[in-house]
Amino acid sequence: EVQMLESGGGLAQPGGSLRLSCAVSRLTFTSYAMSWVRQAPGKGLEWVSDISGSGGATYYADSVKGRFTISRDNSKNTLYLQMNSLTVEDTAVYYCARRKRTAFEGWGQGTLVTVSS
Amino acid sequence: SYVLTQSPSVSVAPGQTARISCGGDSIESKSVHWFQQEPGQAPVLVVYDDTDRPSGIPERFSGSNSGNTATLTISRVEAGDDADYYCQVWDSRREHWVFGGGTKLTVL
Repeated sequence: EVQMLESGGGLAQPGGSLRLSCAVSRLTFTSYAMSWVRQAPGKGLEWVSDISGSGGATYYADSVKGRFTISRDNSKNTLYLQMNSLTVEDTAVYYCARRKRTAFEGWGQGTLVTVSS
Repeated sequence: SYVLTQSPSVSVAPGQTARISCGGDSIESKSVHWFQQEPGQAPVLVVYDDTDRPSGIPERFSGSNSGNTATLTISRVEAGDDADYYCQVWDSRREHWVFGGGTKLTVL
């Protein structure tokens, strides 16, 4: 069974930074595009960022563009999200999700990011 | 930007059919995906590309897409179907993924 495990969440101050990781096992990692999706407490799903299997193409939601950077290390089967200039509005559970063709076919269990002073 | 509109809530008795709609401008020209999310859990893909089901998803879950509305239909609803449901599309113009606001399905 495919495993996707996020880590790196926690408490950050406004203006601070965090780096999330998503370790993926038991699949051919480069065959999958990967995304980050977040969910603020009591709210719906919000797509954050997407990266192609090679890492050559990246996409960002307007709400995070210029502050967040998505990347991947295919040698380590790991996806990253560098989050800078955090605001309280970034408080959410962050999920990584994999996509082979058109749909997010698998999700991690999520990691909670709390931005508060 | 492209907007997907879902009704906040739908209620249905066990054994009946639930229909959850997702509205968007000419949504029929896009591939729509549907996710189920139970409280405290990660989302699960239940329908992709308008009508296809991933392996392991019961045949009770089906999808359609026409005009400005996509629909997730759950037949013979069970208590375990009580969850939030989200639709999603790719906005190719802006190169963004877009989620609907979600629909809370309550099984009475």
